[in-house]
Amino acid sequence: NAGVTQTPKFRVLKTGQSMTLLCAQDMNHEYMYWYRQDPGMGLRLIHYSVGEGTTAKGEVPDGYNVSRLKKQNFLLGLESAAPSQTSVYFCASSNSGTKKEKLFFGSGTQLSVL
Amino acid sequence: KQEVTQIPAALSVPEGENLVLNCSFTDSAIYNLQWFRQDPGKGLTSLLLIQSSQREQTSGRLNASLDKSSGRSTLYIAASQPGDSATYLCAVGTSGSRLTFGEGTQLTVNP
Repeated sequence: NAGVTQTPKFRVLKTGQSMTLLCAQDMNHEYMYWYRQDPGMGLRLIHYSVGEGTTAKGEVPDGYNVSRLKKQNFLLGLESAAPSQTSVYFCASSNSGTKKEKLFFGSGTQLSVL
Repeated sequence: KQEVTQIPAALSVPEGENLVLNCSFTDSAIYNLQWFRQDPGKGLTSLLLIQSSQREQTSGRLNASLDKSSGRSTLYIAASQPGDSATYLCAVGTSGSRLTFGEGTQLTVNP
């Protein structure tokens, strides 16, 4: 059972470089989320999607863009990476949002911006 | 703004002990509360989900309670085992599709 798969697992960027993180889920979930986890800050929601073709801003969206062109994929883009974006990024999905359903998380992407 | 606090930040116990992890939140207008487990270098695994109308949920040796009026939840782990060592996070579901997470309690169960 693959569940939620994130690629890559590790990445080092230089300030100003761009990259895309890919999240794929095989559970036919409608809702997908991107979180970042930082020491002392907990997990914070960056962007989320309530279905194919939709995206919405979360708590800390600045500096990130997302796309949900296919139901099973949710992409997180950094156009011009900054050291403040050094973090562990987690993708999650659920069938009907956070009101009723458990979230399923990927294993994370460790990103360092130098 | 919803704030979630978990105390203690770290806990070390001998194997076999029963233990309680605490979670408090500032705004009682929640849809639900989830407890997650996170192993080092891994993602989060949802353990228990309590809807706002419920008082508790049980799964195996785990029991989670919710007192919405006082803004508190506890996770009870019975007969702890070394394999229970992990970081436990609670998160409250609020308006929209948002979960607000606590910073977690790092649990170590010593053989």
